[in-house]
Amino acid sequence: AQSVTQLGSHVSVSEGALVLLRCNYSSSVPPYLFWYVQYPNQGLQLLLKYTTGATLVKGINGFEAEFKKSETSFHLTKPSAHMSDAAEYFCAVSDGVDSNYQLIWGAGTKLIIKP
Amino acid sequence: ETGVTQTPRHLVMGMTNKKSLKCEQHLGHNAMYWYKQSAKKPLELMFVYNFKEQTENNSVPSRFSPECPNSSHLFLHLHTLQPEDSALYLCASRLPGTAEAFFGQGTRLTVV
Repeated sequence: AQSVTQLGSHVSVSEGALVLLRCNYSSSVPPYLFWYVQYPNQGLQLLLKYTTGATLVKGINGFEAEFKKSETSFHLTKPSAHMSDAAEYFCAVSDGVDSNYQLIWGAGTKLIIKP
Repeated sequence: ETGVTQTPRHLVMGMTNKKSLKCEQHLGHNAMYWYKQSAKKPLELMFVYNFKEQTENNSVPSRFSPECPNSSHLFLHLHTLQPEDSALYLCASRLPGTAEAFFGQGTRLTVV
């Protein structure tokens, strides 16, 4: 993987509205794709991952993401935002699982939930 | 709770101090990492250890010195830091044969 782009450093949605966080990547091989969430002054927690198989993956807290190879995208969605979803979200990609492969990170998107 | 524990959670140190950050995991992971997370900057990978051997050092200044005595413990020794080194330092570990990393809660470092 060479790069990960997250569109929008901040995304604001109303409580109950659809959440859509965008992630595009560049990779010359089938990638492993991840979304992590970070609450203030906390570490990163794995939300969901795509390795192989079904391209729509479900994660914790009602989030899901779809791997679209033709679009080199792995966008994160949630049908109905909750106040507790306010956090920063990071997309990451890896080209493999061998020890010489490292995660390549997006810059993060801060999700703001309006009451 | 990810199984990766970092201590201390907060640290304030002067520029002439020497301190150490500690990371511990008992998940059976053989790869461990130090990341730096500064405000408004992407996550920066600092060091990688595989099976206790350092395999990556991403041009980190020598005032940061990592140590990995065994596969379960990782330290980051700090000395003569600069105010711009203030950041959240994150430790992570990885299981062999998988790509995802498990993170600790981080140490919020402030250099005064």
